[in-house]
Amino acid sequence: EAQVTQNPRYLITVTGKKLTVTCSQNMNHEYMSWYRQDPGLGLRQIYYSMNVEVTDKGDVPEGYKVSRKEKRNFPLILESPSPNQTSLYFCASSFTSGSSYEQYFGPGTRLTVT
Amino acid sequence: AQSVAQPEDQVNVAEGNPLTVKCTYSVSGNPYLFWYVQYPNRGLQFLLKYITGDNLVKGSYGFEAEFNKSQTSFHLKKPSALVSDSALYFCAVRARSGYSTLTFGKGTMLLVSP
Repeated sequence: EAQVTQNPRYLITVTGKKLTVTCSQNMNHEYMSWYRQDPGLGLRQIYYSMNVEVTDKGDVPEGYKVSRKEKRNFPLILESPSPNQTSLYFCASSFTSGSSYEQYFGPGTRLTVT
Repeated sequence: AQSVAQPEDQVNVAEGNPLTVKCTYSVSGNPYLFWYVQYPNRGLQFLLKYITGDNLVKGSYGFEAEFNKSQTSFHLKKPSALVSDSALYFCAVRARSGYSTLTFGKGTMLLVSP
């Protein structure tokens, strides 16, 4: 089944404790992206990757890191989480960037930073 | 900068009645336009998209959307609403030229009453 998977689905952590949210897709997509969803703000892009070893900042990159060592994986790293990073996070993928292709979304990771 | 406006936070409709969820956009040049739906505790699912050609686009679950270039709108419609259509709907836009991020609106909650 074609899908985007994220782990964990739920995470409660404390300020400053490094964490990684994994994202994997099995559709051989070149483009992958991370979004955060906050009430009243819709989805905002954090980082994106156009292919292996090619990443770039989205609209709200502060406090986040990403890497793209393999085509299927695109982990999101919070090196020192803060309470304002409490949010619902989505990973997405599609065939190419800047194109008409729709994005496929993972199920989301709900992160709470206390 | 490109943007999407969904002027209604919530739309209420009775089952069996037609529904409209409004979306207007701003983008440089011609757009690619998308609608996504988010059910509770789920990721976003693609509904339909406008690329080119016929201004009336048909998508999943009986939804359709009409592209109006002069009004820069892409309203989502369905002739007869179902209770199961109750969800959060997002409109998104991407410019055609070069690389462009996918910009989302803030979302509209659709509530269909029995």
